[in-house]
Amino acid sequence: ETGVTQSPTHLIKTRGQQVTLRCSSQSGHNTVSWYQQALGQGPQFIFQYYREEENGRGNFPPRFSGLQFPNYSSELNVNALELDDSALYLCASSLEAGNLYGYTFGSGTRLTVV
Amino acid sequence: SQELEQSPQSLIVQEGKNLTINCTSSKTLYGLYWYKQKYGEGLIFLMMLQKGGEEKSHEKITAKLDEKKQQSSLHITASQPSHAGIYLCGASRYGNNRLAFGKGNQVVVIP
Repeated sequence: ETGVTQSPTHLIKTRGQQVTLRCSSQSGHNTVSWYQQALGQGPQFIFQYYREEENGRGNFPPRFSGLQFPNYSSELNVNALELDDSALYLCASSLEAGNLYGYTFGSGTRLTVV
Repeated sequence: SQELEQSPQSLIVQEGKNLTINCTSSKTLYGLYWYKQKYGEGLIFLMMLQKGGEEKSHEKITAKLDEKKQQSSLHITASQPSHAGIYLCGASRYGNNRLAFGKGNQVVVIP
């Protein structure tokens, strides 16, 4: 059984650029959620994807968007990067959309915007 | 204001000593999750508590949920350097598909 894998592990982008982060869910999990964790803060919910549709969104602007593919892997896209977007981006997968039991996190992608 | 308050913010203990950290919610809890995070890494699931008065243990870590106080405590017995890290509590609300997290408790264990 493989866990949640995220790529890349680290990334440096310039303000105004666009970035795509990737996440492969744990085997058997069909739901993927994305979180942003700024330095010294707890993770903040960005959105969740279930059956290739967005299934709930946190307080993030539209320039944060995502996709889920038929194999349940997911992408997080951020357009027009701002310095405050620098953070650790965490992906979590779960068995079903409304079931947080077994919520499994990946190791994250560290995004630095300069 | 923060939905989940964790205290103390940071804690330094000598190896072999016990420690307790707390997580208090300003809203009704449906489920309370404890995770451990090494700096800059992903979250490792420790325990989930759902019922008032529930207590769970794993190795030397025990977590309790006080539903009336909307509070959970995590106790580590005879701490070891491997217990060092950031402990995050996350709360789920009924019918919700996400976790709201506190800022974390940073634990340092001195040999």
